[in-house]
This record gives sequence, C-alpha cells and structure tokens, in this order.
Amino acid sequence: EAQVTQNPRYLITVTGKKLTVTCSQNMNHEYMSWYRQDPGLGLRQIYYSMNVEVTDKGDVPEGYKVSRKEKRNFPLILESPSPNQTSLYFCASSSLQGGETQYFGPGTRLLVL
Amino acid sequence: KQEVTQIPAALSVPEGENLVLNCSFTDSAIYNLQWFRQDPGKGLTSLLLIQSSQREQTSGRLNASLDKSSGRSTLYIAASQPGDSATYLCAVTERNYGGSQGNLIFGKGTKLSVKP
Repeated sequence: EAQVTQNPRYLITVTGKKLTVTCSQNMNHEYMSWYRQDPGLGLRQIYYSMNVEVTDKGDVPEGYKVSRKEKRNFPLILESPSPNQTSLYFCASSSLQGGETQYFGPGTRLLVL
Repeated sequence: KQEVTQIPAALSVPEGENLVLNCSFTDSAIYNLQWFRQDPGKGLTSLLLIQSSQREQTSGRLNASLDKSSGRSTLYIAASQPGDSATYLCAVTERNYGGSQGNLIFGKGTKLSVKP
C-alpha cells in the first residue's frame, strides 16, 4: 500500500531537548516536504527536498533542520525546541513527473513545554 | 509573495445541494493547483490536481476549475452528502525561476458541514 508514515504520532517534550520526527515513503518519490499546521495560520511549508542531498527552505524554516540521505526518508530535526514550535506537523511526498499529487502522512502532534 | 485565500471560511448546507468553494491566489506564475480534504484530526487527502496548462479536472461529483489570468479556482461539489463534511484546502505550487516546482502555499480552508 502506498503510504507516508510519520513517527511519533504524538510527542510531549520540554524546551531545549533535541528531537527528531521521522518520515518515510514507499513510493520512490523524489519530492518530500514538511509542513506545520496552526489554528488561524493554516498549513505552512517548513522545508522541502527535490531529491537525495537536495533540500530547500520553505516559508517557516527557522528552528528546524532536515536531511535527505536516502530517497525514502526525510527526518525533521528540532535541535532546541521552543514552545512556539508546538504544532501539528505533516510530512508529504510526490513524484516530480508531473500531474502527481502530494501524499500526506497522518501527522505528528507536538507539545513543547 | 504568493498568498492564497479561500472564501467562505465556513459553509453549512442541507444534503443534496450543489455548492461551490472559492480559492484565489495573487501570483499567476504557478506550477499547479490542488484541492485537498482534511477530516478532523486527520491528514490531508488529495482530491484534484490541475496543472498550470489545464482549465479543469473532474473526479466523480467533484469538478475543479482554474483561471490563472484572474487568479481563481473553484471546487464544485454536486449533490452534497453528509460524508462530504470536512475542511477543504486549496494549495498552489509556486513555479521557481527556471520553471521548476517550488513551495506549496495553502489557503486556510473552507469548513463544510452538510446537514442530513
């Protein structure tokens, strides 16, 4: 089954404690992306990647890091989380062949105390 | 900077009605436009994708149109059902300098409620 998986689905942490949210897709997609969703602000893109070892900033990259060492994985790293990073995070992937939609993961709900 | 606006923010209709959701964007240099559905507490499900060279796409009871020159897209839902209740999101993929795929910019969505 074609899917995008994220782990963990729920996470409570404290300010400053480094964390990683993993994202994996099984569709051999070139393009992967991270978004955060906040009430009143909608979905905003954090980082995206067009292929292995190629990453670019989205609209709200501050406080986040990503890496794309393998095609199927695109982890999101918060080196020093702060309460303003409390949010619902989505990973997505798509082919770059044209006409392909983005497939979204189920979301990771993060609370930073 | 690309901005995507969706009107109305919320809509309540009786079952069986045909309805139109609106999306507007400020920069016509887009790669494509997509409509998504989001159920409460869930991820996003793609409904329709319209390439920049296309005018519309259809899937079942859904029809999406794109008018780049006016910066508008509409999502038409025919014969609405209670199961259509969800938040509908419009998203524009920007076109980078050189024509490649850029950032995906979302509207804030229209929350649809279809009453039995």
